[in-house]
Amino acid sequence: TQLLEQSPQFLSIQEGENLTVYCNSSSVFSSLQWYRQEPGEGPVLLVTVVTGGEVKKLKRLTFQFGDARKDSSLHITAAQTGDTGLYLCADNTDKLIFGTGTRLQVFP
Amino acid sequence: EPEVTQTPSHQVTQMGQEVILRCVPISNHLYFYWYRQILGQKVEFLVSFYNNEISEKSEIFDDQFSVERPDGSNFTLKIRSTKLEDSAMYFCATTRDRNTEAFFGQGTRLTVV
Repeated sequence: TQLLEQSPQFLSIQEGENLTVYCNSSSVFSSLQWYRQEPGEGPVLLVTVVTGGEVKKLKRLTFQFGDARKDSSLHITAAQTGDTGLYLCADNTDKLIFGTGTRLQVFP
Repeated sequence: EPEVTQTPSHQVTQMGQEVILRCVPISNHLYFYWYRQILGQKVEFLVSFYNNEISEKSEIFDDQFSVERPDGSNFTLKIRSTKLEDSAMYFCATTRDRNTEAFFGQGTRLTVV
């Protein structure tokens, strides 16, 4: 059974700070996705990465996929209060296998 | 923008009762899923459904659970005899094709007392 571990589990920062969260898989990803989930809502897809070493940018968010396709990082530059939420990595393999999540709180 | 709609948003039920959670998928989507999220824990896959039959189910999805698409629009999850440990957020998700972007509903919070 594939296990996706995310770190840190919790992160509390002030607006304007930078942060990086990590996702590590016990096996090679088929297709890695990052989601954000806000309280009372379902997860919303941020990005899909497929190729080892791939880097994708979405405004202030930078997603990096490890060369071996077993790990990934999400870097947020100049965090804003609107970035607050639960960040989930997932492997898309006919179904989604989600990671343990990083709960981010950005204070004004 | 098309969205996945779930009802009810919150359901409180007594242990041993049957519950039915409903989902209206995005109209041109073909693959349907149920996930659950126990408070403070990760989102877990329950079941996938395609072409009017179950494609895959997890260990969580035991004989107490069933899914169907009774009228070609609603996609339902039934729990026959609820247990306290069934308390969770249940999310419906749909995709247009295999492995394409999944769109999630807002979830149903099920509380078993």
